[in-house]
Amino acid sequence: QKEVEQDPGPLSVPEGAIVSLNCTYSNSAFQYFMWYRQYSRKGPELLMYTYSSGNKEDGRFTAQVDKSSKYISLFIRDSQPSDSATYLCAMKGGATNKLIFGTGTLLAVQP
Amino acid sequence: EPEVTQTPSHQVTQMGQEVILRCVPISNHLYFYWYRQILGQKVEFLVSFYNNEISEKSEIFDDQFSVERPDGSNFTLKIRSTKLEDSAMYFCASRRGPDNSPLHFGNGTRLTVT
Repeated sequence: QKEVEQDPGPLSVPEGAIVSLNCTYSNSAFQYFMWYRQYSRKGPELLMYTYSSGNKEDGRFTAQVDKSSKYISLFIRDSQPSDSATYLCAMKGGATNKLIFGTGTLLAVQP
Repeated sequence: EPEVTQTPSHQVTQMGQEVILRCVPISNHLYFYWYRQILGQKVEFLVSFYNNEISEKSEIFDDQFSVERPDGSNFTLKIRSTKLEDSAMYFCASRRGPDNSPLHFGNGTRLTVT
């Protein structure tokens, strides 16, 4: 089983839709969970950062962590064409500080 | 907003040549990292660096790779003898402090080995 699994998409939605992006993981030591946005040929840009279980909201973005199910989500409300990018989940925990990334989900928001 | 800067944005080199990728981390950050992303694949960890020494490295980071912080601002990744499979985007990242500080990435250097 892969340490972090993420559906690569592509996911295409109309402008204004609610987008749901998800990752599952297998390592119960993970405690820190991040979502990054990556535009083509650019570096990952940090969107959301959460510790342990629960929800965190920042503007149109909401991150959810369910440690009991080893499942994390990112919701984007009122999606815009400028949200079109690859969304990467990443996590870390235990004895290491390295981030483990998902494959990324390619999102296209159609105007 | 402070950012991690990387130079050059694109580097083309011949197989067997040495290459140095440069990074300027965010100024008050103490932990530095290199990650790479082969085209179409995951972002993967190479090495972490703190207090002037390597704190962790992956199995990818073999004897051909080295890192250095030659002064108070730069952080470099050297590949001694490049191979075709080293072609990738190389991302430098930094974070301020202990576990609860997030990691910030630069825009990467695209390395092409011919």
